[in-house]
Amino acid sequence: GAVVSQHPSWVICKSGTSVKIECRSLDFQATTMFWYRQFPKQSLMLMATSNEGSKATYEQGVEKDKFLINHASLTLSTLTVTSAHPEDSSFYICSPKAGGTEAFFGQGTRLTVV
Amino acid sequence: GDSVTQMEGPVTLSEEAFLTINCTYTATGYPSLFWYVQYPGEGLQLLLKATKADDKGSNKGFEATYRKETTSFHLEKGSVQVSDSAVYFCALSSNQAGTALIFGKGTTLSVSS
Repeated sequence: GAVVSQHPSWVICKSGTSVKIECRSLDFQATTMFWYRQFPKQSLMLMATSNEGSKATYEQGVEKDKFLINHASLTLSTLTVTSAHPEDSSFYICSPKAGGTEAFFGQGTRLTVV
Repeated sequence: GDSVTQMEGPVTLSEEAFLTINCTYTATGYPSLFWYVQYPGEGLQLLLKATKADDKGSNKGFEATYRKETTSFHLEKGSVQVSDSAVYFCALSSNQAGTALIFGKGTTLSVSS
């Protein structure tokens, strides 16, 4: 199956700092990248959708200036949480998708803001 | 819009018991259906999928049949193991390019020896 690499797997940062999460599709080209967040014992909530070379489309309620998404190439996308606050603590998961119906998922990043 | 409803958990079973996790969906058109599994602290892994009515997806002893008449995709396993303890998500794809999967809320399965 497809290989997706998401880093870091966990990160602890201080309030007010920024954190960058990388997601790479190692053996396929991702025309679309989805970013999800997951709160404890809850389902995945779609945050934004990005296509390579285009601006991301954010779901309602997700602040685009706070969650910066870059999809510069077909194999790399980044999510930067800017000026992080404790309420941003969550599990973030990337999901690159090629042309088919199946989506693939990164291993997730546990962000804790203290 | 499209949606997925799956049974609330947690589901607690003894080893070798039979498992059913119900999943129903609402969708226009002909979606593809998936079951994903998430182990603690990890991302999602595809467990099985079905892309059209009456298809049966199967993997690692788990099965699910795409039932268009009942709009269901129930997950079953004949004999669960402790290692099956995880959270299971039912999901659908509308098959339109660039659209994200829609997930159910997840069902936690706990299997004891």
